[in-house]
Amino acid sequence: AQSVTQLGSHVSVSEGALVLLRCNYSSSVPPYLFWYVQYPNQGLQLLLKYTTGATLVKGINGFEAEFKKSETSFHLTKPSAHMSDAAEYFCAVRDPGNQGGKLIFGQGTELSVKP
Amino acid sequence: DVKVTQSSRYLVKRTGEKVFLECVQDMDHENMFWYRQDPGLGLRLIYFSYDVKMKEKGDIPEGYSVSREKKERFSLILESASTNQTSMYLCASSLWVGGNQPQHFGDGTRLSIL
Repeated sequence: AQSVTQLGSHVSVSEGALVLLRCNYSSSVPPYLFWYVQYPNQGLQLLLKYTTGATLVKGINGFEAEFKKSETSFHLTKPSAHMSDAAEYFCAVRDPGNQGGKLIFGQGTELSVKP
Repeated sequence: DVKVTQSSRYLVKRTGEKVFLECVQDMDHENMFWYRQDPGLGLRLIYFSYDVKMKEKGDIPEGYSVSREKKERFSLILESASTNQTSMYLCASSLWVGGNQPQHFGDGTRLSIL
C-alpha cells in the first residue's frame, strides 16, 4: 500500500533562510502528488500539485517542489522564509490506480520561522 | 473559488450524545470527504461520497455514519459520542475523483467530547 513519509515533524528556520520540507512516497509507480498548507485554526489550502512531465512545480506564496522519480521524493522549498510561512505543511499522494482516488497524507511538518 | 463551509468551528458535546457535523460546498462537486486530524497522525479518512445517497467507508469509519441527501451537503454523524472522538474534523470536496484533481477543504470543526 502507498505510504507517505515527511521527514521531520518540526522544522525551524530563520526569516530569510531557505525552507526545505521533505516528502517521500513508497510506490514504484509515480503517484499524483500534492502539497497543502494549514495555518492555525484553518483548513488545508492547496499549495501546489504535480503535473506529469514537469519535474519542478511552482505553487503559491513562492513555494515550489521538485519531483525526483529516482528518489521517490517531492520536496517542498522556498528560497527565503517569511514570518507568515509559519504553518503546518502536508504532503499528499494519490495512486493512479487507487480505487476511489483517495488522498494519502503524510503526518505533517510544522514550520516555525524565527525573526 | 471553491467554498467549503463547515457549520461549526468549535463544538462541545457530552459522552453518549448524537452529534451532527454539517458541510456544504458551493461548486457542484461530485465528491465529498470527511477526515479527522489528530496531532502526529496527519489526516485520516472517515467516509467519502461519490454522489447523492452514495457513501463509502474510509480508513476509520467505526463510530461514525454519514448522510448525503443533496449534492452540496455532506453530514457526519457520531451516533453515540465518546471521548476518543475528540478531534479536529475536516470536510473536503473535489470535482471528480482521481488524477491530479485536488481536494478543497473547509476550515474544520474542533469537537470536544466531555
